[in-house]
Amino acid sequence: AQTVTQSQPEMSVQEAETVTLSCTYDTSESDYYLFWYKQPPSRQMILVIRQEAYKQQNATENRFSVNFQKAAKSFSLKISDSQLGDAAMYFCAYRSAWEGDDKIIFGKGTRLHILP
Amino acid sequence: DSGVTQTPKHLITATGQRVTLRCSPRSGDLSVYWYQQSLDQGLQFLIQYYNGEERAKGNILERFSAQQFPDLHSELNLSSLELGDSALYFCASHRGTGELFFGEGSRLTVL
Repeated sequence: AQTVTQSQPEMSVQEAETVTLSCTYDTSESDYYLFWYKQPPSRQMILVIRQEAYKQQNATENRFSVNFQKAAKSFSLKISDSQLGDAAMYFCAYRSAWEGDDKIIFGKGTRLHILP
Repeated sequence: DSGVTQTPKHLITATGQRVTLRCSPRSGDLSVYWYQQSLDQGLQFLIQYYNGEERAKGNILERFSAQQFPDLHSELNLSSLELGDSALYFCASHRGTGELFFGEGSRLTVL
């Protein structure tokens, strides 16, 4: 069974600095999707970024980028120029690309604090 | 706005009672997922439906049940409620592009 592990329950970063959130996963599949979701205090789940496993290029969305290492099964999120609004719980998630198994598995989350 | 609608947004009830949470997926999405999130916890997968049929089951209690109707909306029924069932219940849908789109959640408080 696939698993997703986020080893950092909490992290803090100074405003305007860069922070990296770690995520590792375990799967025997070769084709899959990976996601980072953000959950601010409002508790709405917001998609931050997605990565298809077949793409070698790391996904980027403005200040958010990932470091996808398929062989190492690692999928870290880098937030550049951290802003107060980035304070949230961040969840890493995995989904198989196989149509018969589209259950999405979430890690336990990393709570990110932004220090002014 | 994700396009996924959940009602009610807040619900307060007593132990032993039964409640129904409702979810309308994004237009065109056939899959509906239900997740439970207790305070400061991660998301626990409960159950998934695809076009009216149960597709996958997670750690859903026997006191909980769900269904997806022909119009694709889904309901999660929680019965014999206990204090520990207090949580945020999320519904999400997707169309096959990979990511889930989440509703705003239904916050259940059991007193």
